[in-house]
Amino acid sequence: DSGVTQTPKHLITATGQRVTLRCSPRSGDLSVYWYQQSLDQGLQFLIQYYNGEERAKGNILERFSAQQFPDLHSELNLSSLELGDSALYFCASSVFGQSLFFGPGTRLTVL
Amino acid sequence: DQQVKQNSPSLSVQEGRISILNCDYTNSMFDYFLWYKKYPAEGPTFLISISSIKDKNEDGRFTVFLNKSAKHLSLHIVPSQPGDSAVYFCAASATSGTYKYIFGTGTRLKVLA
Repeated sequence: DSGVTQTPKHLITATGQRVTLRCSPRSGDLSVYWYQQSLDQGLQFLIQYYNGEERAKGNILERFSAQQFPDLHSELNLSSLELGDSALYFCASSVFGQSLFFGPGTRLTVL
Repeated sequence: DQQVKQNSPSLSVQEGRISILNCDYTNSMFDYFLWYKKYPAEGPTFLISISSIKDKNEDGRFTVFLNKSAKHLSLHIVPSQPGDSAVYFCAASATSGTYKYIFGTGTRLKVLA
């Protein structure tokens, strides 16, 4: 158990809908990262937050947004969903500059 | 632009032998490297890391080697065990920047009993 929690574990929705994925980092970790893994591909970096502030952006679509709240949990919002958005979404946390610890992921299926 | 590459999508090794997983990177700003193991339907698990000030780091059966001039790192698992069968990802980060971790596409290791 990495100490990073993600909810929900599975999410099935329809095209055009909007969903919110939630992540709680390990106790004491100020950095939160979001990654997408599609069809057994690599982990694509989406976005990073540090203590509530956005620090880095990767290949995140404009339909996607995220935020980190004062209690350090983070939410990833995916809107106008398309079939191609079906993927595993991982959250990871770290003490700044140290190894990432990943949550179990949320499997999103868009029908 | 794939800055971190794992050119072998899969690898099979006999139990007890050495597994060598390779990773290449292109960004000379990367100075911190990590290896993760991932089982199906689970999140990646941290295995071992190395800073660019070192060329080798060892933790039990796992050793990571870094060749900065070649922009190449490798993970050695000795001896390999069936429980090591998983997908292995390498990742790289530039610690002078935003600590954005870039991952390779993974190598699926199968250890045969």
